[in-house]
Amino acid sequence: EAQVTQNPRYLITVTGKKLTVTCSQNMNHEYMSWYRQDPGLGLRQIYYSMNVEVTDKGDVPEGYKVSRKEKRNFPLILESPSPNQTSLYFCASNRLAGGPLDTQYFGPGTRLTVL
Amino acid sequence: QKEVEQDPGPLSVPEGAIVSLNCTYSNSAFQYFMWYRQYSRKGPELLMYTYSSGNKEDGRFTAQVDKSSKYISLFIRDSQPSDSATYLCAMTFEGGGADGLTFGKGTHLIIQP
Repeated sequence: EAQVTQNPRYLITVTGKKLTVTCSQNMNHEYMSWYRQDPGLGLRQIYYSMNVEVTDKGDVPEGYKVSRKEKRNFPLILESPSPNQTSLYFCASNRLAGGPLDTQYFGPGTRLTVL
Repeated sequence: QKEVEQDPGPLSVPEGAIVSLNCTYSNSAFQYFMWYRQYSRKGPELLMYTYSSGNKEDGRFTAQVDKSSKYISLFIRDSQPSDSATYLCAMTFEGGGADGLTFGKGTHLIIQP
């Protein structure tokens, strides 16, 4: 079954404690990305990756890091989380880096609360 | 400029009604237009995408794009309670792919049995 998995699904942490949210896809997709979803602001892209070792900033990259060492994995790293990073996070993958998005899949989401 | 406007709702209609969901945008460079459905506590799911202007039909769903008015619509015929979800429009540029993807804020749709 084609899927994007994220872990953890729920996380409560404290300000400044480094955390990593993992994302993995089993479809051999080139393109992966991270979004955050906030009430009244919708989905906003944090970072994206066109392929292994190729990453770039999205619309709201401040306070986040990513890496793409393998095609299937795209972890999101918060080095020093702050309360304004409390949000619902989604990982997504696409078959191709450009062109039609007919193969885009989203993960189930990670709800992060930073106290 | 990447703004996409979408009424957040909620939009509540009786089962069987035709539903019309809409988005407007300001950037004429957008060429690909998508509709996603998001159930509560789930990730968005791509429903339909269209390129440039025109209509596209898939079962009970029809997507329309009017580039001259910068207006896109999703119609749902014979609506079912299982269609209750948040519907997100999104759009991107020619060749931009997902890195240029801009989402609307979503419309919360409720189909009453």
